[in-house]
Amino acid sequence: DSGVTQTPKHLITATGQRVTLRCSPRSGDLSVYWYQQSLDQGLQFLIQYYNGEERAKGNILERFSAQQFPDLHSELNLSSLELGDSALYFCASSVVGRNTGELFFGEGSRLTVL
Amino acid sequence: DAKTTQPTSMDCAEGRAANLPCNHSTISGNEYVYWYRQIHSQGPQYIIHGLKNNETNEMASLIITEDRKSSTLILPHATLRDTAVYYCIARGANTGNQFYFGTGTSLTVIP
Repeated sequence: DSGVTQTPKHLITATGQRVTLRCSPRSGDLSVYWYQQSLDQGLQFLIQYYNGEERAKGNILERFSAQQFPDLHSELNLSSLELGDSALYFCASSVVGRNTGELFFGEGSRLTVL
Repeated sequence: DAKTTQPTSMDCAEGRAANLPCNHSTISGNEYVYWYRQIHSQGPQYIIHGLKNNETNEMASLIITEDRKSSTLILPHATLRDTAVYYCIARGANTGNQFYFGTGTSLTVIP
């Protein structure tokens, strides 16, 4: 158990819809990362937040947005969903400030768009 | 961050050592080498990391060549539960740097 909690574990929705994925980082971790993993693809970095502020952006679509709240949990919002958005979405957290900064991943949210 | 190159797949007999190579010929002086693994569709799991010296923990050993252009992750006694995709990542020490996962090496441990 990494200590990172993601909900929901599974989500099935239709094209055009909007969903919200939630992540609670490990206790004490200020930084949250979101990754997308499509079928048979590698992990694609989407976005990073540190203590409520956006720190870095990767290959995140304009239809996707994220935020980190004062209690440090984070949400990833996916809108106008397309079939190609079906994927595993992972959240990870780390203790920023240490130069090692290894990531601890949650178990992911599997999104299926029909 | 430096690009890394890994073999697409490898097999290893159960109980034997699994040696997973990684090339990072463009690695810079402040970039660490990290290894993660992902067991089918689970969240990736941190294994080990190092800068120059060889490192060992309860999961694995990391051997980094003197010129730092390549490294090897060693699982000393592979078990079936070690079947996973193993990712080698070179990442700068700046905590704003990201972990970019490539396609990794798919390791299959054979009974």
